[in-house]
Amino acid sequence: GQNIDQPTEMTATEGAIVQINCTYQTSGFNGLFWYQQHAGEAPTFLSYNVLDGLEEKGRFSSFLSRSKGYSYLLLKELQMKDSASYLCAVVDSNYQLIWGAGTKLIIKP
Amino acid sequence: ETGVTQTPRHLVMGMTNKKSLKCEQHLGHNAMYWYKQSAKKPLELMFVYSLEERVENNSVPSRFSPECPNSSHLFLHLHTLQPEDSALYLCASSHSQGASETQYFGPGTRLLVL
Repeated sequence: GQNIDQPTEMTATEGAIVQINCTYQTSGFNGLFWYQQHAGEAPTFLSYNVLDGLEEKGRFSSFLSRSKGYSYLLLKELQMKDSASYLCAVVDSNYQLIWGAGTKLIIKP
Repeated sequence: ETGVTQTPRHLVMGMTNKKSLKCEQHLGHNAMYWYKQSAKKPLELMFVYSLEERVENNSVPSRFSPECPNSSHLFLHLHTLQPEDSALYLCASSHSQGASETQYFGPGTRLLVL
């Protein structure tokens, strides 16, 4: 079967750094997405990785290792507004999008 | 207005009611999607439309009936729902139909079935 694993919930402190991991077992791989979803709002696109390595976008970075079936989202200089759920999704060999259940990130002052 | 809009934002209905959810996208996209989001579960893809043609139906019960009259509008008609259908229903669009395309989501309709 196909599976995406993310921690259910994480807590971090304002101004700190947090890493949200995503591991996947899918039939093939054609890319991995990260989305952010604030409570009661639409998921919004953060990043798309298809090649190994780190991609940086401001305070957010996303890393991919295809050989390990692993990705992480790194958030630096955390702000209270970063409190949200972070969704990992993988494109499989049939170009189907397989979603994780999301990681709820709680930022404390 | 920009992006993807959904109405209503909240809906309470009885099991014998008939209601419809509406989605509109102002992005000029050609593909639209309906998802079900339940607490602590992955997003479940329900329907995919590309250029107003249904291209995917993931074994969704017939009490959910989609309609796509044009590339900007998508409806989800609901009838004789069950309490377990209570969830957040999200609409999304993308430039073209393909899982590698970035999807843009609406804010969702929070549905409660009594």
